[in-house]
Amino acid sequence: QSVLTQPPSVSGTPGQRVTISCSGGSSNIGSNFVYWYQQLPGTAPKLLINRDNQRPSGVPDRFSGSKSGTSASLAISGLRSEDEADYYCAAWDDSLNVLFGGGTKLTVL
Amino acid sequence: EVQLVQSGAEVKKPGESLKISCKGSGYSFTSYWIAWVRQMPGKGLEWMGIIYPGDSDTRYSPSFQGQVTISADKSITTAYLQWSSLEASDTATYYCARLDYDFRSGGLDHWGPGTQVTVSS
Repeated sequence: QSVLTQPPSVSGTPGQRVTISCSGGSSNIGSNFVYWYQQLPGTAPKLLINRDNQRPSGVPDRFSGSKSGTSASLAISGLRSEDEADYYCAAWDDSLNVLFGGGTKLTVL
Repeated sequence: EVQLVQSGAEVKKPGESLKISCKGSGYSFTSYWIAWVRQMPGKGLEWMGIIYPGDSDTRYSPSFQGQVTISADKSITTAYLQWSSLEASDTATYYCARLDYDFRSGGLDHWGPGTQVTVSS
């Protein structure tokens, strides 16, 4: 069981806005940056959101990250079929390790 | 262009040893941490540990401390993950990834394609 808690699955229809939550604690999300990774089927993960809310070059602005206290969220607006993937949150812990959430499978209906 | 090229898939027997590699190019290999991440079949991502090739400073996740060894050879810009005695539970895909910034504030901005390791008798 992961220290960072994500819903196992979310779904939405094309064009819709969906959010994925990530709940942690004071020693990880509460005091360190949050990262989001997208893993398309059969591929390596890709950094989607860096340091809470920064989009790396090439990531569409449909993707946004936010954080409040010990929880974080990834929002995807204008949902597209190619967004169907697994999404993982991650955060450094005060013990100097990275914790990953259990992952959320996004289905585009 | 930053690239991390990992060694090919491996099929091993329980008790055998293994060393897989991750060759970095397109950037200053000694200036960025390299992490190793495990993904067991159908499961999520797990942090294994991280190394700074510049001075070989290495940190392990408590879950993997003593189970694997992370190393790097900066002369050939390659990081390694090795096992002395594999178990069936080591069957997984192993990714290397570059940390884009300082330890504890960096994200994994470039990933290798993964090395699939299968351990079966």
